[in-house]
Amino acid sequence: DAGVIQSPRHEVTEMGQEVTLRCKPISGHNSLFWYRQTMMRGLELLIYFNNNVPIDDSGMPEDRFSAKMPNASFSTLKIQPSEPRDSAVYFCASSSRGQGANEQFFGPGTRLTVL
Amino acid sequence: GESVGLHLPTLSVQEGDNSIINCAYSNSASDYFIWYKQESGKGPQFIIDIRSNMDKRQGQRVTVLLNKTVKHLSLQIAATQPGDSAVYFCAQGAGGFKTIFGAGTRLFVKA
Repeated sequence: DAGVIQSPRHEVTEMGQEVTLRCKPISGHNSLFWYRQTMMRGLELLIYFNNNVPIDDSGMPEDRFSAKMPNASFSTLKIQPSEPRDSAVYFCASSSRGQGANEQFFGPGTRLTVL
Repeated sequence: GESVGLHLPTLSVQEGDNSIINCAYSNSASDYFIWYKQESGKGPQFIIDIRSNMDKRQGQRVTVLLNKTVKHLSLQIAATQPGDSAVYFCAQGAGGFKTIFGAGTRLFVKA
């Protein structure tokens, strides 16, 4: 298996632009997680899905952030409009176990820079 | 609120020595704890986990110890190698599918 795939790996954009990050989880995994990592705040859970349904989006910072999972093999995280403080590395992770803390498999991340 | 923290932000050890990375947690209701390793430019990678009904679990060169009395978790790496240089995160289950990650400890291995 190729593991969790994220695209793009790097994104540089200007403030006010829309940004879409993409994730393909490991085939057969039923849970998908979006995280944001910064030096100041560490690794923060933004939202997670189970069987394509959003379960907890309490970590999404603002209405400018939205996430979708239209099917079991694809998810997007959108920021509209983007701001410089959104600059971070965004990770997608997937897992296949049931409730409780799971072993999560992380993608390589997307490094977002908003100018 | 819930939090998982680390006592030391950086740790430097000599190659071949044993490393001990510590973690304090606040959510005593967690039934599952995990250690992740993150190398530069990569996503976190699972190392080892432990359930709350255990106090010790061993893997290949790694041992996790759980002390629920003082809410403390530690990761021991035997015979530390240069390839062990990374940031190590402890994490705990926070209900449902949610996992809370600690701040991380950077491990430097000196040759």
